[in-house]
Amino acid sequence: DAGVIQSPRHEVTEMGQEVTLRCKPISGHNSLFWYRQTMMRGLELLIYFNNNVPIDDSGMPEDRFSAKMPNASFSTLKIQPSEPRDSAVYFCASSLAGSHEQYFGPGTRLTVT
Amino acid sequence: GENVEQHPSTLSVQEGDSAVIKCTYSDSASNYFPWYKQELGKRPQLIIDIRSNVGEKKDQRIAVTLNKTAKHFSLHITETQPEDSAVYFCAASSVYDYKLSFGAGTTVTVRA
Repeated sequence: DAGVIQSPRHEVTEMGQEVTLRCKPISGHNSLFWYRQTMMRGLELLIYFNNNVPIDDSGMPEDRFSAKMPNASFSTLKIQPSEPRDSAVYFCASSLAGSHEQYFGPGTRLTVT
Repeated sequence: GENVEQHPSTLSVQEGDSAVIKCTYSDSASNYFPWYKQELGKRPQLIIDIRSNVGEKKDQRIAVTLNKTAKHFSLHITETQPEDSAVYFCAASSVYDYKLSFGAGTTVTVRA
């Protein structure tokens, strides 16, 4: 059974460019979470969806960040325009309805130069 | 919102000894407390969790204890092995939603 899938695994881009990160949750899971991990700030929840609906986006740092979940098997996190301080590992996680157990994807390492 | 504090930030133990990591939380509504292990360059992996109606849970060499009154919970690893070397994160989640608030992490090094 496939776990959470994320792409790309690594992304290097120049400041000002648009970046799109992708996530496919575990089949049957209906909650999806986007996290950012840095040495300075640890693991931060950016946004989470339940049944494709954004429930809490209070962790989204600013308007340059946006996330969508057009269907149960796909979500994107977009940064436009990107800045060097956005460099981090971005994780997607999913969980079953009514369950707190979250399973993480392999992450996308983003470097903005 | 929930605030989770984790101590120590680093822990070095001799192989075969025990390791203990402690966390405190602020929101009395929190009822789910997972622990994640993250090896270098890998994803966080759920290793054990405990819910607020339970005081202790064991799974082979790892155990977690919860003190709701004091709002703290701990991870215990016995008979440590080199493969236990990793960063361990505690987290807490409220009855009201499924968000996890993470501690800052503990880097555990097991010396051979």
